[in-house]
Amino acid sequence: GAGVSQSPRYKVAKRGQDVALRCDPISGHVSLFWYQQALGQGPEFLTYFQNEAQLDKSGLPSDRFFAERPEGSVSTLKIQRTQQEDSAVYLCASSLVSSGNTDTQYFGPGTRLTVL
Amino acid sequence: GDSVTQMEGPVTLSEEAFLTINCTYTATGYPSLFWYVQYPGEGLQLLLKATKADDKGSNKGFEATYRKETTSFHLEKGSVQVSDSAVYFCALRGAAGNKLTFGGGTRVLVKP
Repeated sequence: GAGVSQSPRYKVAKRGQDVALRCDPISGHVSLFWYQQALGQGPEFLTYFQNEAQLDKSGLPSDRFFAERPEGSVSTLKIQRTQQEDSAVYLCASSLVSSGNTDTQYFGPGTRLTVL
Repeated sequence: GDSVTQMEGPVTLSEEAFLTINCTYTATGYPSLFWYVQYPGEGLQLLLKATKADDKGSNKGFEATYRKETTSFHLEKGSVQVSDSAVYFCALRGAAGNKLTFGGGTRVLVKP
């Protein structure tokens, strides 16, 4: 079956531009996560959805970052007024269940954002 | 808060050598532990996991045992292949059950 997909795969933005990154989770997966991976580092948590509800946004680095999942499926991560420090790979992951810590998260290929 | 520390790379090995990547963690309660692998040009893939103390996760010849007494989850493989060249990430999912907390990753290069 289809895995998690993300688009675009690569995005180049000029500093100050707004960008929108899309994630299509595995069909039927309740939970959706966004992570940010800087070059040479491990992914860091940004935000978490259970269906359409954003239950945890503690990892969003500033109020320029905004995420939504209005119908409980596709999610969009939006970054306003991009800065050079926003350059990273943005990873989306989904998991089947809504609770418990044993469930596996399945990752998409990521969107590499470069801010010039 | 939760944290994961893993050995820094790169680790360079010859084919058929033994591989160990150390991973230790700090967490409250009883986390689940994971190893993810990122092959060149590809996304993160789950390699193996263990959900309670003394569990052993295994896959593709790799093994890791959840050691609560030493808060460790070291990854091992007895005989590596060139195709095992990748970046390996240790991660935990805390008792609250949501986000993954990752280590910094260890790059492994296997030479023929």
